[in-house]
Amino acid sequence: GQNIDQPTEMTATEGAIVQINCTYQTSGFNGLFWYQQHAGEAPTFLSYNVLDGLEEKGRFSSFLSRSKGYSYLLLKELQMKDSASYLCAVIDPDYKLSFGAGTTVTVRA
Amino acid sequence: GAVVSQHPSRVICKSGTSVKIECRSLDFQATTMFWYRQFPKQSLMLMATSNEGSKATYEQGVEKDKFLINHASLTLSTLTVTSAHPEDSSFYICSARGTSGGGDEQFFGPGTRLTVL
Repeated sequence: GQNIDQPTEMTATEGAIVQINCTYQTSGFNGLFWYQQHAGEAPTFLSYNVLDGLEEKGRFSSFLSRSKGYSYLLLKELQMKDSASYLCAVIDPDYKLSFGAGTTVTVRA
Repeated sequence: GAVVSQHPSRVICKSGTSVKIECRSLDFQATTMFWYRQFPKQSLMLMATSNEGSKATYEQGVEKDKFLINHASLTLSTLTVTSAHPEDSSFYICSARGTSGGGDEQFFGPGTRLTVL
């Protein structure tokens, strides 16, 4: 089975940095995704990690440690439009995605 | 990037009726499509995996006779919610995995909001 944990909510101010942690225990691992989801919309792809280390893409970075079953998504220079739910998801060798419950990030002015 | 569409985006129906939701990959061929369901303030839950030309594989707890999935071509999969009831009201999202490149990435459709009265 899959067990994916991430915090429920986080709040930060505009221009700040927020780190969303995700821990996982899965029966099969073929990579880890981070998605952003605004209310009432489908998830949009942010990042994909399959090897250990940091992947940087603009204001967003994602880190993976497979030995620790741990990932984080780092959001820099926060903007109001970054207020959304952020989903951690693990993909197994059958290409099935298992999602965490999501972290709601609220950016305050 | 790859585009996946869903139709309809919203549907309201009476209890006991059936509703069909279409998922299309517009600019790539999808060997595998996935159907998810998301209840308010919860995460996406995988319902079934659909491979072109073969029967869908359902996750534990999902009734295959209630949620009929057809993946007749490499660009189209349909989900039919049969005899819908208010508890089936949810946000249904499909995703598609392509035949070439893209690694393990799945491309999500925009979702279908189903409300059963």
